[in-house]
Formats: sequence, structure tokens, C-alpha cells
Amino acid sequence: GAVVSQHPSRVICKSGTSVKIECRSLDFQATTMFWYRQFPKQSLMLMATSNEGSKATYEQGVEKDKFLINHASLTLSTLTVTSAHPEDSSFYICSAAAGTSGSADTQYFGPGTRLTVL
Amino acid sequence: GNSVTQMEGPVTLSEEAFLTINCTYTATGYPSLFWYVQYPGEGLQLLLKATKADDKGSNKGFEATYRKETTSFHLEKGSVQVSDSAVYFCALRNQAGTALIFGKGTTLSVSS
Repeated sequence: GAVVSQHPSRVICKSGTSVKIECRSLDFQATTMFWYRQFPKQSLMLMATSNEGSKATYEQGVEKDKFLINHASLTLSTLTVTSAHPEDSSFYICSAAAGTSGSADTQYFGPGTRLTVL
Repeated sequence: GNSVTQMEGPVTLSEEAFLTINCTYTATGYPSLFWYVQYPGEGLQLLLKATKADDKGSNKGFEATYRKETTSFHLEKGSVQVSDSAVYFCALRNQAGTALIFGKGTTLSVSS
């Protein structure tokens, strides 16, 4: 099946710094990518939906100036956590949708990135 | 709003035991329902799905039936294997959009 990678898999940073997480679709073109956040023993929460070449659509309550999403190509989306604080520590998961519909049926998930902010 | 509730784990079974992981949902309209599986160190993978009432999704010996009257989509397997050890997520997709709404996940551990 289609493969989605995330880099890094784990990152530890100091409070106030920015962290960039990459999400790549390795063997298909992803017109739509999704970013989720997962707290321990909690559900995956959708943060934003990004379409290649256009601005991301953020879910209610997600600060777009804090979580910058760039979807510059059909195989790469990046999430930058700006001025990170300990409360931003979480597990961030991306998924990529193949095809033009962006339907959930064809979403392929990355393995996730564990962010720890000290 | 839309939500998914699934049984808390961990679920610990012996090989060849019967598995049930309960999942109920709250949604407006007619959502599509999914089960995803996450093996250690890997991303979520779609296990099965159902898009309308009474549909049964099945894959790799797992089954789940979309029950609108009980708003449930319980996952079952007649005989689990050690290789089934993973985290299982129930999810729904609102009829109107593409966003997935997930349950908290249930960890399954199967021993030989």
C-alpha cells in the first residue's frame, strides 16, 4: 500500500523554539494532507486540512499562527510549531489522501512524531 | 456534536480467543464508519469500513456491522493471532466532510 513518512519521529526542544515536522507521501501524490494531534490515552484530534498550493483550513480552536502548515508540493507537507511551550508536547500524526476527492477512504497515515517541549 | 466511544483497554487475550471491541457513535445524519489498526512503530492503516446501515465491513478475519438502531460498530474476530496485537481505532466520517473523528483507541495484546 501507499507509504507516508514523517520526520523526525521524535524531537525534544526548549521552550520558545520552533520545530518543523515533515510529512511525505513516498509513492503517490497527495492532493490533501491532514494533521492530527494525539494526547496520551486520547483520541486523534484533527488540527487542519491542507491542500497543495493553497492555505490550510484549521479546525476550531487551533491557532493558525502557532501551527504553521505548508503544503508546497504534492508529496510534502510541513507543520511548524512556533514558539513551542510545554503544553504543545504531544504526538503529531499526518495523513495523506490520494486522488482528487480527498476522501477518508484513501487516507494513508504517517507513523507520527513525538514532540516534547522542555 | 459527533463523537466516537470505544471500550478502554488494554484487552489481553490468548491466541485463538474470540475478540470483541465495542464502539458506539454519536452523529447527525448518516456517517461512514471505520476501523483503523496501528501496529507498533507504524502508521494507522484502514482495517475495514461501512458506509450505510446494516453494511458489514470485513478484512483479515475481522468484521464489523453498521448498526444504526444501536449506533454501534463493534469489531469482532473469531480467532485472534499474536500478530493481531496492535491498537485499534474506531472512527467516523461526517457525511458532509472528509474529517475523521476517532475514538481513543483500544490496545489489544495477544499471547501464545
